Amino acid sequence: DGGITQSPKYLFRKEGQNVTLSCEQNLNHDAMYWYRQDPGQGLRLIYYSQIVNDFQKGDIAEGYSVSREKKESFPLTVTSAQKNPTAFYLCASSLRQGGTEAFFGQGTRLTVV
Amino acid sequence: GDSVTQMEGPVTLSEEAFLTINCTYTATGYPSLFWYVQYPGEGLQLLLKATKADDKGSNKGFEATYRKETTSFHLEKGSVQVSDSAVYFCALGPNQAGTALIFGKGTTLSVSS
Repeated sequence: DGGITQSPKYLFRKEGQNVTLSCEQNLNHDAMYWYRQDPGQGLRLIYYSQIVNDFQKGDIAEGYSVSREKKESFPLTVTSAQKNPTAFYLCASSLRQGGTEAFFGQGTRLTVV
Repeated sequence: GDSVTQMEGPVTLSEEAFLTINCTYTATGYPSLFWYVQYPGEGLQLLLKATKADDKGSNKGFEATYRKETTSFHLEKGSVQVSDSAVYFCALGPNQAGTALIFGKGTTLSVSS
């Protein structure tokens, strides 16, 4: 079945450590996105990518990094520079950017202790 | 810039009640509009969409009409069920390259039997 896979579902890390969240899609979509979700704040865009080897910062990119070496993969690294990393992270993809609908993975809940 | 405003929750209803969740938007041009639903601990699922003025999106008994004159895309359902309890997000997709979906803050719906 086609879809988006995020792993792991739950992740625990100690403060000061970098951590990488995985996102893979087999929908042959060009565009991929990372959103952060906090209670009462909706979804905020971290990074997005239109094509391989190209990505743009979203509204809250500070403390995060991404890569897009393959069309189907868009991993997100939460670095130690991110002040409040504990959150629910959602990866999505769409056929192209702009007005097309996005398809979401199941999310990764990151807890930093 | 482009933005989405949706009514704050939580919305609490009894089974078989009528549901309306208000959503208004600000955008240049002619964006596409979406409603997504999120069940606890999961990612977002597309519920319905509309791509131009006066379009009506519908799915699983939910409906929303793209009203350009009032810049609105209100979600309605004639008779809610307990299984409809979830968080609902209104989203805007600017029809231009180099952009990502913009989400409202979400509205929590709780339906009791």
